[in-house]
This record gives sequence, structure tokens and C-alpha cells, in this order.
Amino acid sequence: GAGVSQSPSNKVTEKGKDVELRCDPISGHTALYWYRQSLGQGLEFLIYFQGNSAPDKSGLPSDRFSAERTGGSVSTLTIQRTQQEDSAVYLCASSEGGQVGNTIYFGEGSWLTVV
Amino acid sequence: GDSVTQMEGPVTLSEEAFLTINCTYTATGYPSLFWYVQYPGEGLQLLLKATKADDKGSNKGFEATYRKETTSFHLEKGSVQVSDSAVYFCALSGDDYKLSFGAGTTVTVRA
Repeated sequence: GAGVSQSPSNKVTEKGKDVELRCDPISGHTALYWYRQSLGQGLEFLIYFQGNSAPDKSGLPSDRFSAERTGGSVSTLTIQRTQQEDSAVYLCASSEGGQVGNTIYFGEGSWLTVV
Repeated sequence: GDSVTQMEGPVTLSEEAFLTINCTYTATGYPSLFWYVQYPGEGLQLLLKATKADDKGSNKGFEATYRKETTSFHLEKGSVQVSDSAVYFCALSGDDYKLSFGAGTTVTVRA
């Protein structure tokens, strides 16, 4: 597609339920990122995939968070046993990858509300 | 680790005023520097970037120069419009390819 596509755009879930957020990066981009944007916390890095390399998971806030990337393209971010503090906008981004200075393109985000 | 510090907001200006948003960074090596903008109700968009010292990024009347000696990448626009109202984020990308963002500066331009 023309840009990074994320779904759902909005999700309301009950505390304790699991959620899955999907990201479809720009075609041909080998690098994929997940960030979280929440009030008072700014933009936090969560996880980074580059090609077939092991992902950089250093930003995941707890073991309730996980992500996978299938076939080097689509990625799913899973949050298990959601808590109210997980409420935020989850942003996916992609880039051509492998070079410092490559532009990173962001999707519109998935707004998660945990009630 | 890498970090970005940008001017706290909010900033409120009148149309045609001069805008400056300060951004300084800490990084090892030679990072690339970016300004992203988030308009109300929209996603993050790249505004401009610079990949080496003394480079000037420019777009939509905005400019920023990569100053290695002062570790800065200040954003400037000579004459703002109401449509420039947005949140502006300074960011850097270092050897680990991740973007580290500043806290964001909310800019409101009044007609």
C-alpha cells in the first residue's frame, strides 16, 4: 500500500482481556518498529524488527507485551491481560532499513482504551 | 544512551510571527536528526531531516541546521500560519536505527 496501515484504529477492551494490534508496513520496507504514545510519557520505543535478524525487544514494558512479524511483512503486537495503564496510541512505523538516516514512516496508530 | 531535549511548550503565536523550537541532543557517533509533526487528529509525519553536520533540512517553510558543535537542531519558520498549529517532535536516529524522540512541543497559531 501507499503507507503504513494499522488496525484497528480504535479499540476499547476490558481490563484483563488480551488485545492484538496489526501493522502492515510499506511494501519493500525491511525495518518495522512499534512505538507507544501516551499522555505524559511521550513517544516510547517498544520493539524493532530488521529483516530476519532477532528483534530488538528492549523497549517492551513487561512480559505481557509481545510482537511477531510474519514473513518479513505484517506484524502483530499482542498485549495480554490488559491494564488501564496500557491505554495509549500504539504506533507502527517502517523504513527501508539497515542505514542510519533512513526516513521512518509512521502509521495513523491504534488507539487502545482499557476500561 | 541517546536522548533528545526539546523546548517545553505550549507555544502560542500570532499568524506571521517567527517560530523557533529549540532541540539539543546527546548521542554517540554521528546520528541523523529529524523533525516530525503531528497535526490535530492525524499521525506523525516527517517534516524534515539532516544526516550529517552542517546539513540544513527544509520543508514547508521550516528549516533546521544540524550543528554538531552545539549538538543542536533547532526548528525555525519565519512566518507561521494557522495551519502550522500542531505538535512538533525532534528526534534522532543513531547506530541502533531506533528513533529517540523529544517530549514534543505544542504550537498554536492564532489568526
